[in-house]
Amino acid sequence: DGGITQSPKYLFRKEGQNVTLSCEQNLNHDAMYWYRQDPGQGLRLIYYSQIVNDFQKGDIAEGYSVSREKKESFPLTVTSAQKNPTAFYLCASSIKRNTEAFFGQGTRLTVV
Amino acid sequence: QKEVEQDPGPLSVPEGAIVSLNCTYSNSAFQYFMWYRQYSRKGPELLMYTYSSGNKEDGRFTAQVDKSSKYISLFIRDSQPSDSATYLCAMSAGGTSYGKLTFGQGTILTVHP
Repeated sequence: DGGITQSPKYLFRKEGQNVTLSCEQNLNHDAMYWYRQDPGQGLRLIYYSQIVNDFQKGDIAEGYSVSREKKESFPLTVTSAQKNPTAFYLCASSIKRNTEAFFGQGTRLTVV
Repeated sequence: QKEVEQDPGPLSVPEGAIVSLNCTYSNSAFQYFMWYRQYSRKGPELLMYTYSSGNKEDGRFTAQVDKSSKYISLFIRDSQPSDSATYLCAMSAGGTSYGKLTFGQGTILTVHP
């Protein structure tokens, strides 16, 4: 079955540690995205990539980093510079020239 | 002011009711409009996708877009308890911005038997 796989589903980390969230898709989509969801704030765009080896900052990129070495994969690293990292992180992808985005099931990150 | 405003509710209705969910926006460049449904602790799933102004119907769901008023709506007929979820409107300018969506805050809907 085609889809977007995020792992792990739940992640706990100590404050000051970097952590990497995985996102893999087998939909052959060109573009991939990372969104952050906080209660009552909808989804906010962190980073996006429209092609391999290229990516752009979204609205809230500070404290995050990404890479796009393969079409299928778009990992997100939450660094210690992110002041409030506890949130629900959602990865999405879309076909080039089509604006519908399809989402994975999310990773809930808790930093203690 | 946010680019997309959505009444967060919560909204509680009896089974069988007609539900109306709405969003307003300020960016006139938006051309693509979507509604997503999100169950608790899950990723959003695409419900409806509309380009420019007009209506689109899919089963019990109808999406309306009025670009002149910068207003979009989602109607759910004969609502069911399984429709209880958070509904998110999203929109995009398209073109080189494909897939970059701006979301509303989401409306929490509960349909009680």
